[in-house]
Amino acid sequence: DTEVTQTPKHLVMGMTNKKSLKCEQHMGHRAMYWYKQKAKKPPELMFVYSYEKLSINESVPSRFSPECPNSSLLNLHLHALQPEDSALYLCDSSQGRVEGHEQYFGPGTRLTVT
Amino acid sequence: DAKTTQPTSMDCAEGRAANLPCNHSTISGNEYVYWYRQIHSQGPQYIIHGLKNNETNEMASLIITEDRKSSTLILPHATLRDTAVYYCIVKGRAAGNKLTFGGGTRVLVKP
Repeated sequence: DTEVTQTPKHLVMGMTNKKSLKCEQHMGHRAMYWYKQKAKKPPELMFVYSYEKLSINESVPSRFSPECPNSSLLNLHLHALQPEDSALYLCDSSQGRVEGHEQYFGPGTRLTVT
Repeated sequence: DAKTTQPTSMDCAEGRAANLPCNHSTISGNEYVYWYRQIHSQGPQYIIHGLKNNETNEMASLIITEDRKSSTLILPHATLRDTAVYYCIVKGRAAGNKLTFGGGTRVLVKP
């Protein structure tokens, strides 16, 4: 199984709402990531979890709060978002802190903030 | 990580080989070259990676020059489903798990 799943596929939320994005993988990967992708732009890294610990935070605003409850699951909690946060949010996983290994992306959650 | 330079876009005829170039003149000895592609509105898909030697898998071939300053991704028989943005990424141990995407090449396969 080389699949990363993400739910929901689409999400519309108001600026005062609280919502969560979910990502799951069962490949035994120990590194999981969140990326943000605006239209016609490349993905931009937000967070990296390595062995269930947050290892990289790319200066992401606190209205985005990641959580890694276990090695298979990654959440992104959203609160008080702005319309400019509307984007495709991608989850990714890889074996860990070892170069020469591929990374597997989920299909993404398309978020619209109204 | 070394930066990469790719053409912004290219067209390719269906059934023909597509050759996608990538320059990475500042690559260091322990950095790998990775290729990913992203079909419209989907997550990026891993294609292939290499360090020094040429590599081939069921999707593509990767040709890395001897000085490692450039590489070419070859899709041997392009199909309409290969229409996508192709990203060449150079990454080494110093980057840890960080994958930095550049602009990529938008490839349009035409019938």
